[in-house]
Amino acid sequence: DQQVKQNSPSLSVQEGRISILNCDYTNSMFDYFLWYKKYPAEGPTFLISISSIKDKNEDGRFTVFLNKSAKHLSLHIVPSQPGDSAVYFCAAVDGSARQLTFGSGTQLTVLP
Amino acid sequence: NAGVTQTPKFRILKIGQSMTLQCAQDMNHNYMYWYRQDPGMGLKLIYYSVGAGITDKGEVPNGYNVSRSTTEYFPLRLELAAPSQTSVYFCASSYSQGANTGELFFGEGSRLTVL
Repeated sequence: DQQVKQNSPSLSVQEGRISILNCDYTNSMFDYFLWYKKYPAEGPTFLISISSIKDKNEDGRFTVFLNKSAKHLSLHIVPSQPGDSAVYFCAAVDGSARQLTFGSGTQLTVLP
Repeated sequence: NAGVTQTPKFRILKIGQSMTLQCAQDMNHNYMYWYRQDPGMGLKLIYYSVGAGITDKGEVPNGYNVSRSTTEYFPLRLELAAPSQTSVYFCASSYSQGANTGELFFGEGSRLTVL
């Protein structure tokens, strides 16, 4: 039973355009949501997070939106750059268990 | 600072062999974790530790053991390697607040193949 789902295994976007990566979750106990970025042969690196008490968090070109009623979050990258090409993992923290649950990842390719 | 260092980066094992994946961090983080990533899947938690001398099971602990004798080191032991343990293994660490918010620092990974 996947508690964090990323239904799009891959996404291609033209350089300069917006990239939108989506994530759905089922566990109401999640209280923090994060996006990690992973390049080949490297470990994941933290990108941006959002608390469940907020609906938006912005950091430069990256914005995360949280819709608690729909149990959905998304990552917007504007403008997209070729260096953003990577696998993006959505993750969530269970407020009681203090464990991180990951989605299966979305491969983003930004075309020059 | 080196961050989180894992060794070896690659290893091929025969069924039934044993080995230890090493993990070290120099950030004085209390929390350390071992994850595995299978193709097309997210990372799954194997074991974690909230401090020296304290370890606990994650989602997929069967076939693995860990120890945490010091803050810096968190080795993962495979006693009887099986093909199902073919995966990429990631060690991670976090400070206490990071454990609450999910901000982990990951090593580069160790790719293990069991034949």
